[in-house]
Amino acid sequence: GIQVEQSPPDLILQEGANSTLRCNFSDSVNNLQWFHQNPWGQLINLFYIPSGTKQNGRLSATTVATERYSLLYISSSQTTDSGVYFCAASSNFGNEKLTFGTGTRLTIIP
Amino acid sequence: EAQVTQNPRYLITVTGKKLTVTCSQNMNHEYMSWYRQDPGLGLRQIYYSMNVEVTDKGDVPEGYKVSRKEKRNFPLILESPSPNQTSLYFCASSPRQGASSYNSPLHFGNGTRLTVT
Repeated sequence: GIQVEQSPPDLILQEGANSTLRCNFSDSVNNLQWFHQNPWGQLINLFYIPSGTKQNGRLSATTVATERYSLLYISSSQTTDSGVYFCAASSNFGNEKLTFGTGTRLTIIP
Repeated sequence: EAQVTQNPRYLITVTGKKLTVTCSQNMNHEYMSWYRQDPGLGLRQIYYSMNVEVTDKGDVPEGYKVSRKEKRNFPLILESPSPNQTSLYFCASSPRQGASSYNSPLHFGNGTRLTVT
């Protein structure tokens, strides 16, 4: 099945800094999503982005499907951005189920 | 409000005592799925359902059962729980998945923390 790798595993930043999180995947994808798990454990869908670029406030995401990676950008970080960010992808081949990466833990320090 | 509702939020039980975790969505989604989350292992899929009466195994189905008799409900059943099933469980739904998954973001419930002693 598809392999999904995220980097870095941990990231500690000062409030106001910008960050870039990366997701690499091993196959062509028909589905690529980014999620945020907040410190209370809730999983929130940020982007559905199998290709192209999307923006939502301070967050944006870009997926370059031909090069098999996706990037999540967070600008002007706030403490509420802390938590774990997951990407998940499903392949054009195989059983099409979403496979999750192991996440990037982001800590924003006031 | 559009949501995925799981119950209970917390559950402590003993080995071998059958339990059911309920999941309900009010968005008329075709696709529903169960995941477990364990430290260092991320989210792993247990079972999924592409539509009513259609279920299939995910990555870690052993020790679990599911059913999809109605579109909105997708209960997770542990017939004989064991301590290695202690975990954080999430139910999720989306309009569809797979090749026809255009613009189908996955929505998660708030999770059920299960402890089996």
